[in-house]
Amino acid sequence: AQTVTQSQPEMSVQEAETVTLSCTYDTSESNYYLFWYKQPPSRQMILVIRQEAYKQQNATENRFSVNFQKAAKSFSLKISDSQLGDTAMYFCALISNFGNEKLTFGTGTRLTIIP
Amino acid sequence: EAQVTQNPRYLITVTGKKLTVTCSQNMNHEYMSWYRQDPGLGLRQIYYSMNVEVTDKGDVPEGYKVSRKEKRNFPLILESPSPNQTSLYFCASRSTGGGSRVLFFGEGSRLTVL
Repeated sequence: AQTVTQSQPEMSVQEAETVTLSCTYDTSESNYYLFWYKQPPSRQMILVIRQEAYKQQNATENRFSVNFQKAAKSFSLKISDSQLGDTAMYFCALISNFGNEKLTFGTGTRLTIIP
Repeated sequence: EAQVTQNPRYLITVTGKKLTVTCSQNMNHEYMSWYRQDPGLGLRQIYYSMNVEVTDKGDVPEGYKVSRKEKRNFPLILESPSPNQTSLYFCASRSTGGGSRVLFFGEGSRLTVL
């Protein structure tokens, strides 16, 4: 079985500051993929960033980067120079069982950027 | 434009009245899946399909049915809806070829069962 845990239900940060969202996971597989999805008030699920477990280098996408600690099974998301448009629910997700290709989600972190 | 389209986006219905939420994708994806989103629980998989005529249960399949007669369509059927099926539903798809494993989501369907 695979599990994803997000221990921060809500966070807030001032605009232009940096914020880090935590995620831990568990899987018995050696090959897997990790994702962060953003869900703004429009409810659309938007891919923010993706990490392949066999790649040691942390993924980055503009202001978004991850800290992937494979041994600790940790996958945190860092948002730099936060903007009002970053206000959203953020979900961490894992796929490791390639038999059913299931993406398992955490419970989400609601992030509010304060002007 | 590549997209996953769900209908209806909003629906209020009553207990026991059968309904279908349609899902269609135009990306020729083999894999399609339905999730429900509830506060504090994240997204949970209801059913998935690896290809035409191949479907299987996810984590919360009770009260739902699906079919995959065509590659592009994957409807979710609630034969006798109950209030505990009030939720936000997402259809998603992706290709099983290549290594990206990125799931593309529809815009969601908000269902209320009275």
